[in-house]
Amino acid sequence: DQQVKQNSPSLSVQEGRISILNCDYTNSMFDYFLWYKKYPAEGPTFLISISSIKDKNEDGRFTVFLNKSAKHLSLHIVPSQPGDSAVYFCAASTETSGSRLTFGEGTQLTVNP
Amino acid sequence: GAGVSQTPSNKVTEKGKYVELRCDPISGHTALYWYRQSLGQGPEFLIYFQGTGAADDSGLPNDRFFAVRPEGSVSTLKIQRTERGDSAVYLCASSPGLAGNNEQFFGPGTRLTVL
Repeated sequence: DQQVKQNSPSLSVQEGRISILNCDYTNSMFDYFLWYKKYPAEGPTFLISISSIKDKNEDGRFTVFLNKSAKHLSLHIVPSQPGDSAVYFCAASTETSGSRLTFGEGTQLTVNP
Repeated sequence: GAGVSQTPSNKVTEKGKYVELRCDPISGHTALYWYRQSLGQGPEFLIYFQGTGAADDSGLPNDRFFAVRPEGSVSTLKIQRTERGDSAVYLCASSPGLAGNNEQFFGPGTRLTVL
């Protein structure tokens, strides 16, 4: 039972363009969502998060959008840079603190110079 | 400051052996989590500690897996009678455990290979 799904295993974009990574979830109890970035041989690194009471959160080049009715969130990176090339994981939790994270399968983003 | 550290970084063992994986969380973080990541998948929750006690161990796959955090800081994940299917990267994460923020900080992981 995959409660968090990232349907695109990979995405390739040109440097300077926008990268859009998508994530769908099925559990309506999720109320906090996070995006993590992972480089090879390293642990996931927190990127940005959003609470279910909001529909948008922005931090520099990174913006996360949440559509609760569609149970869908997306991460926008603009402009994309070659250093953004990594695996991006979407994660969700049912409480805003002290709770397990449920991860998607990940999307490998490649930003070409 | 120091992040989450995990030792060893790599562990190769034979089927049926016992292994221990160690996690040193960020100082002052009360919450500690163990996840397992198989190839091509996202991290999968195993167990969560709040202080010394296991607040949620529902992700442990069976009774061969056990974890402790006796002093509320360092944690050890123990796997008995290892099987080839246990091969994965075992990730540890910690968080401040504060309300309104569930950002978890991950270590680099221990890659376990069971031959």
